Amino acid sequence: DVKVTQSSRYLVKRTGEKVFLECVQDMDHENMFWYRQDPGLGLRLIYFSYDVKMKEKGDIPEGYSVSREKKERFSLILESASTNQTSMYLCASSLGAGLAGYEQYFGPGTRLTVT
Amino acid sequence: RKEVEQDPGPFNVPEGATVAFNCTYSNSASQSFFWYRQDCRKEPKLLMSVYSSGNEDGRFTAQLNRASQYISLLIRDSKLSDSATYLCVVNKRRDEYGNKLVFGAGTILRVKS
Repeated sequence: DVKVTQSSRYLVKRTGEKVFLECVQDMDHENMFWYRQDPGLGLRLIYFSYDVKMKEKGDIPEGYSVSREKKERFSLILESASTNQTSMYLCASSLGAGLAGYEQYFGPGTRLTVT
Repeated sequence: RKEVEQDPGPFNVPEGATVAFNCTYSNSASQSFFWYRQDCRKEPKLLMSVYSSGNEDGRFTAQLNRASQYISLLIRDSKLSDSATYLCVVNKRRDEYGNKLVFGAGTILRVKS
């Protein structure tokens, strides 16, 4: 079974803090994704990585950065947390290109609250 | 306009009922379509892919209408365990750099005894 783990289930941070969210997958997947999920808006893609050290902006990258130094690990960084970044953050991974690559496996999510 | 639109529901149905959800997408270049299921406080998981000719998996039937750009999911003989949020998902673009998906906001289904 594919397993995607995230470093924390719940996190509370103060405005202005630097926040690191870690994601690890154990299936040697090429692609990794970071989403945020908000009521009524669904999942929105923040950043995407298709290979080690490669990254691509998603739909809402402002205020975030990412790091992928190893294939299995994809980190999301909030440079200076703000209250509008309070959300559920979901990491996902998938195989490379091709139809099989469309199935994304998600981690359990990190509920981040910024006060 | 959202790229993928769904009726948020909730759809409240009794056990054994048949229920159908529709979803529309705006990008006519989309090639691949999916339904994901998300249980309360859990992560989304792939339920089924949607093929042009329509496809069935047990009590679940998915259909695609490219001309009208909508996708449907039919659930027959609803079970209590079908209660979840159903996410309509469409690929953003097809290229060599992986496969990006656009997720609808989801339709809530509640099956009651």
